[in-house]
Amino acid sequence: DVKVTQSSRYLVKRTGEKVFLECVQDMDHENMFWYRQDPGLGLRLIYFSYDVKMKEKGDIPEGYSVSREKKERFSLILESASTNQTSMYLCASSFEGQPQHFGDGTRLSIL
Amino acid sequence: GNSVTQMEGPVTLSEEAFLTINCTYTATGYPSLFWYVQYPGEGLQLLLKATKADDKGSNKGFEATYRKETTSFHLEKGSVQVSDSAVYFCALGRGNQGGKLIFGQGTELSVKP
Repeated sequence: DVKVTQSSRYLVKRTGEKVFLECVQDMDHENMFWYRQDPGLGLRLIYFSYDVKMKEKGDIPEGYSVSREKKERFSLILESASTNQTSMYLCASSFEGQPQHFGDGTRLSIL
Repeated sequence: GNSVTQMEGPVTLSEEAFLTINCTYTATGYPSLFWYVQYPGEGLQLLLKATKADDKGSNKGFEATYRKETTSFHLEKGSVQVSDSAVYFCALGRGNQGGKLIFGQGTELSVKP
């Protein structure tokens, strides 16, 4: 079974902090994704990576950056956290043309 | 641009009732369509998919048919169980864009015994 592991289930940070969310997958998938999930808005794509060191902006990249130094790991970075970034963050991975597999999510609160 | 619209929730049903969750889409080309389910405290799991017009996806008693003429992909189940209580997301694949998906807003289903 595919395993997508997010480093934290719950995280509390303060405004202005630099925040790192980590995601690791064990199936050698080329594609990895970061979404945020907010009530009434569904999932919105923040960033996407289709290979090591490659990245593309999604629909809401502002205030975020990503890093993919190894194929199995995709990090989401909040450069200077703000309260409007309080949300559930979901990581996913996939082979090209195949359905995405999701982690269990990180619920991030910015105080 | 491409988009997905789902019926609003929450939907509350009694056990063994018939379920329909409506999903319509706007897209150019011939996207793949998906239903994902999110159980409380968990990430999303693929429930079923369809890759071309008139395809029927099915899994765990759930079904959805890709209707190009009505641009719809409604989720149905003949007899729901309490364990089906979850949030259901309809999603559209963005064709050749590396597997990216567009999600609907999600529909929460609550099944009462």
